[in-house]
Amino acid sequence: DIQMTQSPSSLSASVGDRVTITCRASQDISIYLAWFQQKPGKAPKSLIYAASSLQSGVPSKFSGSGSGTDFTLTISSLQPEDFATYYCQQYNVYPRTFGQGTKLEIK
Amino acid sequence: QVQLVQSGAEVKKPGSSVKVSCKASGGTFRNYAISWVRQAPGQGLEWMGTIIPIFGTSNYAQKFQGRVTITTDESTRTDYMELSSLRYEDSAVYYCARGDIAAADFRHWGQGTLVTVSS
Repeated sequence: DIQMTQSPSSLSASVGDRVTITCRASQDISIYLAWFQQKPGKAPKSLIYAASSLQSGVPSKFSGSGSGTDFTLTISSLQPEDFATYYCQQYNVYPRTFGQGTKLEIK
Repeated sequence: QVQLVQSGAEVKKPGSSVKVSCKASGGTFRNYAISWVRQAPGQGLEWMGTIIPIFGTSNYAQKFQGRVTITTDESTRTDYMELSSLRYEDSAVYYCARGDIAAADFRHWGQGTLVTVSS
């Protein structure tokens, strides 16, 4: 199985900051990488697919990059509604696997 | 826009089965990959399985092999996930998701169904 490792596991930031979350795959997954946002008690929300393509309706403050084994999610100009847990997930092969999550908290 | 509405919370006894439903609206019903993901309390997301009815394919996590079945009923636009031989550690929120049939990704999510396994 492909292991997805996110760093950091938690992150404190202030409103207005720009943050970057990293996701590393244990083997090459090309660009088959998605990012999700999850708020407490809610279902995950798809933000990015194919490593860098924004889902419809997702603001451009979210951006993704990378290919192969190393990927990043960048969120610019943090707003209160952006504080949540973020997950990466590979869909290159089965079984589909998720990163352990990165909890973004307000400083 | 695809919307997915799941059935309500369930309480089940160990050894029994649960069947969770996920009703889809919007979009062409057949043109999606259907997946189920679960999340134990305070834990991360865990993929359980994916079917692509238009291709006739199914893939399940090894962990759930033989215990989980994902089905779909086009006449009612409803997907189902049945998990048998329930254990206490199966207590979790279960999510349905639909995505692109080529990528079998998770673009649209249901709101989640809490399943509690308790004696």
